[in-house]
Amino acid sequence: EPEVTQTPSHQVTQMGQEVILRCVPISNHLYFYWYRQILGQKVEFLVSFYNNEISEKSEIFDDQFSVERPDGSNFTLKIRSTKLEDSAMYFCASSTGAWGQPQHFGDGTRLSIL
Amino acid sequence: AQTVTQSQPEMSVQEAETVTLSCTYDTSESDYYLFWYKQPPSRQMILVIRQEAYKQQNATENRFSVNFQKAAKSFSLKISDSQLGDAAMYFCAYRSAVNSNYQLIWGAGTKLIIKP
Repeated sequence: EPEVTQTPSHQVTQMGQEVILRCVPISNHLYFYWYRQILGQKVEFLVSFYNNEISEKSEIFDDQFSVERPDGSNFTLKIRSTKLEDSAMYFCASSTGAWGQPQHFGDGTRLSIL
Repeated sequence: AQTVTQSQPEMSVQEAETVTLSCTYDTSESDYYLFWYKQPPSRQMILVIRQEAYKQQNATENRFSVNFQKAAKSFSLKISDSQLGDAAMYFCAYRSAVNSNYQLIWGAGTKLIIKP
């Protein structure tokens, strides 16, 4: 069964550094998402992406964050200048459609900011 | 704004028995989708089951079934014949069907422990 793949599985970065988290969504999916889960807290929505543009974003997704689909397969999340509070598990997801189509998740990237 | 509440931080069940995980939600919308996701220690978020709010029939997927009570805004997950592989965090999630609101709104999760 096709899967969403995320790399790296664990990223350790110094505060203030830029980090790029990578995702390869399922190939026939059209909608892409990033969520994060701070340790011990709820999963939080960051952004959704469709047709090469952001379709929705949360308050968390400020100017420090950006997303890109640089080619036909990858979907990246960039954090420009990381802060300690960006430490979390970041999940990428994709779906075939928007309405009620289940979102399929990757294994996540654990981001640790030192 | 919609919210999802899972009131049981942790549940345990004997292997082969049945367990029910609770989820309530708050919304003013009439049309939406509800999901249960499982997150084992391997951390991948796996879809367990999906319910469309306009369907009265409760969704079933093998040993997993839901009790969807729309008026009560309740969406519990029943796991029958529990297996050791069912041990995981279980998350309830809500998604609007009314507007261009694509995000999943999540509960805090319930840790399910299976006793051999």
